Amino acid sequence: EPEVTQTPSHQVTQMGQEVILRCVPISNHLYFYWYRQILGQKVEFLVSFYNNEISEKSEIFDDQFSVERPDGSNFTLKIRSTKLEDSAMYFCASRAKGFLNTEAFFGQGTRLTVV
Amino acid sequence: AQSVTQLGSHVSVSEGALVLLRCNYSSSVPPYLFWYVQYPNQGLQLLLKYTSAATLVKGINGFEAEFKKSETSFHLTKPSAHMSDAAEYFCAVRSMNSGGYQKVTFGIGTKLQVIP
Repeated sequence: EPEVTQTPSHQVTQMGQEVILRCVPISNHLYFYWYRQILGQKVEFLVSFYNNEISEKSEIFDDQFSVERPDGSNFTLKIRSTKLEDSAMYFCASRAKGFLNTEAFFGQGTRLTVV
Repeated sequence: AQSVTQLGSHVSVSEGALVLLRCNYSSSVPPYLFWYVQYPNQGLQLLLKYTSAATLVKGINGFEAEFKKSETSFHLTKPSAHMSDAAEYFCAVRSMNSGGYQKVTFGIGTKLQVIP
């Protein structure tokens, strides 16, 4: 069964460093998402991406964040200068084209720890 | 705007007992609703979805949910809890921005504990 894969599963970084979280969405999907879940809190929307551009972003997704689809398979989230409060589980998701294809399929997540 | 509210951040049931996890939605348009499950240290897995067809939706692992427009509810149930059902359950709604782009908006989650 096709699935969304994320690497690495866990990343530890020092405050102020740049991190790139990687995702391989399901191959025929066209809509891509990043969500995050701070420990013990709800799953929050960060950004959606379609046709090589951001279609929506939340207030969390400030100038420190960027997304990219560098090739036909990867979808990345970059945090330019990490802060302690960026520590969270980051989930990538993808969705197929079509108004009725409503569900997003999520990866296993990358746990980011900023020290 | 679309949103969901989950009542009860923690629910405990005995093994074999009925599971009932509550979710109410707010939507200005006919909603598309989902339940996702997150097992410890794992990602989000879709349990079931409602997309305006049958109001009683059956999902994986014996779970089902009933869409009740009059109550704006989409509660998740399972007749008999199993130890393996211990997880966090998220109710979610499809929301769309002004450009017509969809995303999933999650509730706060309900942690289900199953007591032997």
